[in-house]
Amino acid sequence: QVQLQESGPGLVKPSETLSLTCNVSGGSISGYYWSWIRQPAGKGLEWIGRIYTSGNTNYNPSLKSRVTMSVDTSKNQFSLKMSFVTAADTAVYYCARDVEDSSRSFDPWGQGTLVTVSS
Amino acid sequence: DIQMTQSPSSLSASVGDRVTITCRARQSISSYLNWYQQKQGKAPKLLIYAASSLQSGVPSRFSGSGSGTDFTLTISSLQPEDFATYYCQQSYSTPRTFGQGTKVEIK
Repeated sequence: QVQLQESGPGLVKPSETLSLTCNVSGGSISGYYWSWIRQPAGKGLEWIGRIYTSGNTNYNPSLKSRVTMSVDTSKNQFSLKMSFVTAADTAVYYCARDVEDSSRSFDPWGQGTLVTVSS
Repeated sequence: DIQMTQSPSSLSASVGDRVTITCRARQSISSYLNWYQQKQGKAPKLLIYAASSLQSGVPSRFSGSGSGTDFTLTISSLQPEDFATYYCQQSYSTPRTFGQGTKVEIK
């Protein structure tokens, strides 16, 4: 079955750019939306945005000015960049398949990767 | 953005209890409502999609109901492995939004 794995630096300095990649295995990345979701420690889930394999994107308006997503179908992976990070961006970042059939749900999810913003 | 509100924020229950968690949307979202289970240190797992459809592999003691603005997740007989935090999520529009979560703890 499809599995997702996030990767990227676990520590980012304030005002710099957070960069994460999600590798998709066990199935093709094509024909789906792919989302990024984050969760600060002890808090709830926040949807960051999603990208379709054509490159079309939808971003959360609260983060839109700082977020860029991209997809590389040849490598079966997609990526997130978030600029000008602050301590408030410290969180576990998840990637997930955003199923746009009748379910319109996130399934499956990656295991998550902790990103800490600190100097 | 569509605000999602869950109640209660936490509850204590015993093995075998029937547990009900409520999720309310600020506007009608038809049946575009999903439920996830998250165990400590793990990624969320899809339980119920489209308000009442059970995800493949999820035990039948989990059920969902509702439409419009009011939704319910029910666990008919709580099992030890069900102690976790549960989140509702609307997929009616973007940005996708989640409820704040309901933590189910052992009584």
